[in-house]
Amino acid sequence: GIQVEQSPPDLILQEGANSTLRCNFSDSVNNLQWFHQNPWGQLINLFYIPSGTKQNGRLSATTVATERYSLLYISSSQTTDSGVYFCAAPTSGTYKYIFGTGTRLKVLA
Amino acid sequence: NAGVTQTPKFRVLKTGQSMTLLCAQDMNHEYMYWYRQDPGMGLRLIHYSVGEGTTAKGEVPDGYNVSRLKKQNFLLGLESAAPSQTSVYFCASSYSGSRKAGNTIYFGEGSWLTVV
Repeated sequence: GIQVEQSPPDLILQEGANSTLRCNFSDSVNNLQWFHQNPWGQLINLFYIPSGTKQNGRLSATTVATERYSLLYISSSQTTDSGVYFCAAPTSGTYKYIFGTGTRLKVLA
Repeated sequence: NAGVTQTPKFRVLKTGQSMTLLCAQDMNHEYMYWYRQDPGMGLRLIHYSVGEGTTAKGEVPDGYNVSRLKKQNFLLGLESAAPSQTSVYFCASSYSGSRKAGNTIYFGEGSWLTVV
């Protein structure tokens, strides 16, 4: 099945800084999603982005499917951005979504 | 519109006991999933379903059974609970059949299960 790897595993930022999170996947995908898990454990879908670039406020994501990676950009980070960011992709030909191990982000005031 | 609802939210079981976690979604989604998340780790897929009456194994299916008798409900059963099944369980759903909506996954709030 597909392997999904995320980097860096941990990231500490000062409020206002920018960051880039990376998601590599081992197989071609027709679907990729980014999620944020807040400190209370709630999982929120950020982007459904099989290819191209999308933006939502201070967050944007780019997926280059041919090169098997996706990037999540966080600009002007805020303390509320803290938590764990996951990417997920399905094993080819199925709806069996596999998650990466996540990037744990802490934004300091 | 409640989205994805899981019950119960918290449960403590003794080793060997059985229980069922219920997931309900009101978005008319075709696909439903059960994941488990252990401390400091990512989510691992237990079982999933691509429609009413169907189920399929995920990454870590052993020790669990599922059923999808109604489109809106996906049940996860533990027949004989073991301490290794102590975890947070998340249900999720996706795909309303609209190409515009895509396959965005929506999660429930989680169910904390402790097996002693």
